Amino acid sequence: DAGVIQSPRHEVTEMGQEVTLRCKPISGHNSLFWYRQTMMRGLELLIYFNNNVPIDDSGMPEDRFSAKMPNASFSTLKIQPSEPRDSAVYFCASHRSTDTQYFGPGTRLTVL
Amino acid sequence: GENVEQHPSTLSVQEGDSAVIKCTYSDSASNYFPWYKQELGKRPQLIIDIRSNVGEKKDQRIAVTLNKTAKHFSLHITETQPEDSAVYFCAASKFQGGKLIFGQGTELSVKP
Repeated sequence: DAGVIQSPRHEVTEMGQEVTLRCKPISGHNSLFWYRQTMMRGLELLIYFNNNVPIDDSGMPEDRFSAKMPNASFSTLKIQPSEPRDSAVYFCASHRSTDTQYFGPGTRLTVL
Repeated sequence: GENVEQHPSTLSVQEGDSAVIKCTYSDSASNYFPWYKQELGKRPQLIIDIRSNVGEKKDQRIAVTLNKTAKHFSLHITETQPEDSAVYFCAASKFQGGKLIFGQGTELSVKP
């Protein structure tokens, strides 16, 4: 099992640019979570999907952030336009309904 | 709203000593409590979890205790080793596989 796959692993962009983060959950997992980790705010849940449907997006900071899950094996988190305060490590996690969450390796985003 | 408080934020122990990290949760409906270990630059990884119908669970040098009445749970690491040095996160959820609310993290340092 390859585990949760995220790409890119590192992203450096300039303020105002669009950023797209990608996640492939573990095969057979029916829930997917996007987290953001910073020193100041810790580990925050941004949004989660169950069977490809967004269940709770209350953690999405603002309209600049959007997430999609077009099928069971792929999800994206988009930031448009990006700002320096969006700099963080973004983790994707997935699980089966009676299992625990497994995290991907994360994407380190730097917005200059 | 849902909240998990974790203490202490940093903990330094001598190799061989025990370490205890405590968490308090606010939502009385929470019934699943995992603990994650995150080494520097890596993803959070589950080390132990407990459900609300159990008061204590052990796995070798690691144990977790739960007091539902007081709404707190603790991680106990015995015979600490330098490789135990990491950031530890507690979390709470209303069911296994649901939305996790994370504590702020505890940076554990084990000195040889």
